[in-house]
Amino acid sequence: DAGITQSPRHKVTETGTPVTLRCHQTENHRYMYWYRQDPGHGLRLIHYSYGVKDTDKGEVSDGYSVSRSKTEDFLLTLESATSSQTSVYFCAISDRGDYEQYFGPGTRLTVT
Amino acid sequence: RKEVEQDPGPFNVPEGATVAFNCTYSNSASQSFFWYRQDCRKEPKLLMSVYSSGNEDGRFTAQLNRASQYISLLIRDSKLSDSATYLCAPSGGSYIPTFGRGTSLIVHP
Repeated sequence: DAGITQSPRHKVTETGTPVTLRCHQTENHRYMYWYRQDPGHGLRLIHYSYGVKDTDKGEVSDGYSVSRSKTEDFLLTLESATSSQTSVYFCAISDRGDYEQYFGPGTRLTVT
Repeated sequence: RKEVEQDPGPFNVPEGATVAFNCTYSNSASQSFFWYRQDCRKEPKLLMSVYSSGNEDGRFTAQLNRASQYISLLIRDSKLSDSATYLCAPSGGSYIPTFGRGTSLIVHP
């Protein structure tokens, strides 16, 4: 299995609080992605990174920001969590961008 | 038209059956295609990559029809352990594959 970890694995937080999710990889892959997965919507891309300090928005980026200061770490921040951001968040990595992706185990976030 | 369309199912089949899923895509520039398997409450895992007309790996066969813009996944001799959701992901010609919503397969004894 690809070396990808996500932390925390589960989190419950209150509306209006900031939340940061971490994705860490040991594969030295250039590309990293954050998705959310909700029933009826499948996987939706939030943000992605194509190198250190190089990031771009996905289809559902409102309310989220990201940072990548090192190859191995990609952080997703919810500036002020809302109940609509209750979801399962997956990080993925890829060596060559538009090719195979390898996913982390996911973070289950509940915003109350 | 959605970029990637999959029949959500569920496909309910007995052990030993052969089952096939289709995935249609709208981006004619897609060059690479991927099937992922996702178990309940788990992350998607790469099942198969398709870069030409098709690919075969044991009981699993993927066939690509570029003219009609669909890719199929055939599973032979279904096992109980094949029960999962199967996600199709054509490349988008950028850094971003596009995922279908998945097809649910239930294999029963």
